[in-house]
Amino acid sequence: RKEVEQDPGPFNVPEGATVAFNCTYSNSASQSFFWYRQDCRKEPKLLMSVYSSGNEDGRFTAQLNRASQYISLLIRDSKLSDSATYLCVVGRRALTFGSGTRLQVQP
Amino acid sequence: EAGVTQSPTHLIKTRGQQATLRCSPISGHTSVYWYQQALGLGLQFLLWYDEGEERNRGNFPPRFSGRQFPNYSSELNVNALELEDSALYLCASSLVVGPGAQETQYFGPGTRLLVL
Repeated sequence: RKEVEQDPGPFNVPEGATVAFNCTYSNSASQSFFWYRQDCRKEPKLLMSVYSSGNEDGRFTAQLNRASQYISLLIRDSKLSDSATYLCVVGRRALTFGSGTRLQVQP
Repeated sequence: EAGVTQSPTHLIKTRGQQATLRCSPISGHTSVYWYQQALGLGLQFLLWYDEGEERNRGNFPPRFSGRQFPNYSSELNVNALELEDSALYLCASSLVVGPGAQETQYFGPGTRLLVL
């Protein structure tokens, strides 16, 4: 079983749609959780950290369920510029990355 | 504020050669991390340096090594290159904070290594 599992997609959605990504992790002792975004052939960029109480940043909402070892990312009102691969990341120092979920927002 | 920088951007080597990749962290960051992203695979943790010391390494053979200099910049060395070492090598830096606190790693643009 992979340490961090994500649906690879692709998710093809129209502009303005709401899309949700899920991720599960295997190490119950994990303390830090993140969503990164990676554009094709570029470096990952931090989208947001994920806190136990859930957190929101504009159109993006992240949730953490420790009991189920599950992390989610919700994107509202999708923009063309949201097209990218979204990486679920767990860990504090040696980060463990999921393989990513591809999102393609279409006009 | 300048981000993490890496050099070279691209590197072409042949099997058996050695490759040296360089990374400069964000000013004030003391920790440097190296990751490998092979084509079609996820990012894999390679090495972590902090305050000049290797703190942790991932599941990679000893021919992957590195060091961190007094100015916190870092080098990754890959000896006896193999074809499967072809990948994007990413460096990240962070500011080490107290235990239990959330740390964020910021990534450089990477070095694309091609082994022929």
